[in-house]
Amino acid sequence: EAQVTQNPRYLITVTGKKLTVTCSQNMNHEYMSWYRQDPGLGLRQIYYSMNVEVTDKGDVPEGYKVSRKEKRNFPLILESPSPNQTSLYFCASSPSRGAMFYEQYFGPGTRLTVT
Amino acid sequence: QQPVQSPQAVILREGEDAVINCSSSKALYSVHWYRQKHGEAPVFLMILLKGGEQKGHEKISASFNEKKQQSSLYLTASQLSYSGTYFCGTEILWGKLIFGQGTELSVKP
Repeated sequence: EAQVTQNPRYLITVTGKKLTVTCSQNMNHEYMSWYRQDPGLGLRQIYYSMNVEVTDKGDVPEGYKVSRKEKRNFPLILESPSPNQTSLYFCASSPSRGAMFYEQYFGPGTRLTVT
Repeated sequence: QQPVQSPQAVILREGEDAVINCSSSKALYSVHWYRQKHGEAPVFLMILLKGGEQKGHEKISASFNEKKQQSSLYLTASQLSYSGTYFCGTEILWGKLIFGQGTELSVKP
């Protein structure tokens, strides 16, 4: 089944404890992206990667890192989480053709709480 | 630089039509539309590219005015399944997507 998977789905952690949220897609998509969703603010892009060689900051990259060592995986790293990073996180992937990317397929989401 | 969506919320009866607007202050490469139901991930509806190419859902149409940097999503003959929050995403740089705050659509029987 074509899908984007995220792990873990739920995570409660403490301030300052490094964590990684994994994202994997099995559709051979070039484009991958991370979003956070907070009530009233919609979806905000954290980082995106057009392909394995190109990764760039989205609208809210502060406090996050990403790694794109292979096409299928795009982990999100929080080196020192803080309570303001409590949010619902979505990973997404998209087929691309040249400089264009198309429909994004979203993972199921990871609900992160930082205390 | 977040695009402005209007209306913020709308209530319809089954069979009625609705238009959701998305306006950006920046020049756009493309506009993307997604629908999200409560507790679920967003689902792709439509993409509109500069130059007029469209790709998306059969029962939903949209327009993109490149000069005004505005897009509209047209929902005709609404069904109960159309309920959810609609987001427009504006591609302001190659691959960089800024989403609006969402329009909550509720379809009543």
